[in-house]
Amino acid sequence: GESVGLHLPTLSVQEGDNSIINCAYSNSASDYFIWYKQESGKGPQFIIDIRSNMDKRQGQRVTVLLNKTVKHLSLQIAATQPGDSAVYFCAEEGSGTYKYIFGTGTRLKVLA
Amino acid sequence: DAGITQSPRHKVTETGTPVTLRCHQTENHRYMYWYRQDPGHGLRLIHYSYGVKDTDKGEVSDGYSVSRSKTEDFLLTLESATSSQTSVYFCAIGEVGNTIYFGEGSWLTVV
Repeated sequence: GESVGLHLPTLSVQEGDNSIINCAYSNSASDYFIWYKQESGKGPQFIIDIRSNMDKRQGQRVTVLLNKTVKHLSLQIAATQPGDSAVYFCAEEGSGTYKYIFGTGTRLKVLA
Repeated sequence: DAGITQSPRHKVTETGTPVTLRCHQTENHRYMYWYRQDPGHGLRLIHYSYGVKDTDKGEVSDGYSVSRSKTEDFLLTLESATSSQTSVYFCAIGEVGNTIYFGEGSWLTVV
């Protein structure tokens, strides 16, 4: 798994701008990746997923990019809104492990 | 919501007492998971189940036991609660190779 720190990295963006949240995953054998959004006091909520046979996947206002060469995942949020303020984290599932490993997350703050 | 109910949602208990958290699903998913979430550590897997009576340990299983006697229920027991087990506990459900969905969490304080 990933090493963790005591403080979440924070990304501050202006309302209406695009946001890019990055994640480095640990296992080159992982073949399924998920992005979650977690608001204060709530459980993680699914945003978008991608499998290792894809480089890019788009949803509504969100795009996930996967770079297997450098084990990097990114989440792009278009036209960021105040309701997007939350902690975002990625998860990887190793082929056949039945286990999901989670990153520590990035806090997104949307500035009015 | 993905048809997951956790209970209790909030609990305060004393050191040394046993505590059981319940996860109930209405989705008939095969896999169920218990995670704990702590500041600075993200979500860490405690135990998971891949079917009725089939369970396995995660990375932080010491001090915890689980049981799954029917598809819809997955119980997490703290055999003798310690202050280090003060945390938020999340249940998740899903199928291998697909998204797992989380419950709303159980806040446990051990005093």
